[in-house]
Amino acid sequence: AQKITQTQPGMFVQEKEAVTLDCTYDTSDQSYGLFWYKQPSSGEMIFLIYQGSYDEQNATEGRYSLNFQKARKSTNLVISASQLGDSAMYFCAVVSYNTDKLIFGTGTRLQVFP
Amino acid sequence: DAMVIQNPRYQVTQFGKPVTLSCSQTLNHNVMYWYQQKSSQAPKLLFHYYDKDFNNEADTPDNFQSRRPNTSFCFLDIRSPGLGDAAMYLCATSRTGGENTEAFFGQGTRLTVV
Repeated sequence: AQKITQTQPGMFVQEKEAVTLDCTYDTSDQSYGLFWYKQPSSGEMIFLIYQGSYDEQNATEGRYSLNFQKARKSTNLVISASQLGDSAMYFCAVVSYNTDKLIFGTGTRLQVFP
Repeated sequence: DAMVIQNPRYQVTQFGKPVTLSCSQTLNHNVMYWYQQKSSQAPKLLFHYYDKDFNNEADTPDNFQSRRPNTSFCFLDIRSPGLGDAAMYLCATSRTGGENTEAFFGQGTRLTVV
């Protein structure tokens, strides 16, 4: 079964600083996609950024950028210029293009302090 | 405008009384998912549909059933809710395929069993 690990259960960052959240995954699929989601305390799952396994250029969306290390089966999310509103759970997720299954990592709780 | 809508946001049901959660989408995505998320845990995939093709996860209890009458709607039926079924239930839809891949979530339904 596919396993997705986020080794940082909790992270702290000061406002306006950058923070990097890590994720490693175990997949035998050749074609897949990587997502990062933010989940605030309200429970809603908010899409942040996506990258496909064949994309050669790392994705960016505003303050979010995704670093993709295909050979190592790892990705990380960089949030630049952190804001207090960034405090939330962050999940990486992998979708298989073969089965369409979308599986989540264990999550990292990010806290931004003033 | 909300693209994936879950109703209701909060549901209270009695132990053993069948309950149905609903999800609708305006994105015309082929794939729809149901997840169960308990407090401080990652979302756990229960099942997903590709169009009308149903894919059940091996560890999803028989107590959980699903229906997808058309592209836009998907239902989660819990036949005899137990106290352990209290959780947030998340619906998602996706389209996979290279750079057009996307996956979005509804706001979730928080289920309480009394």
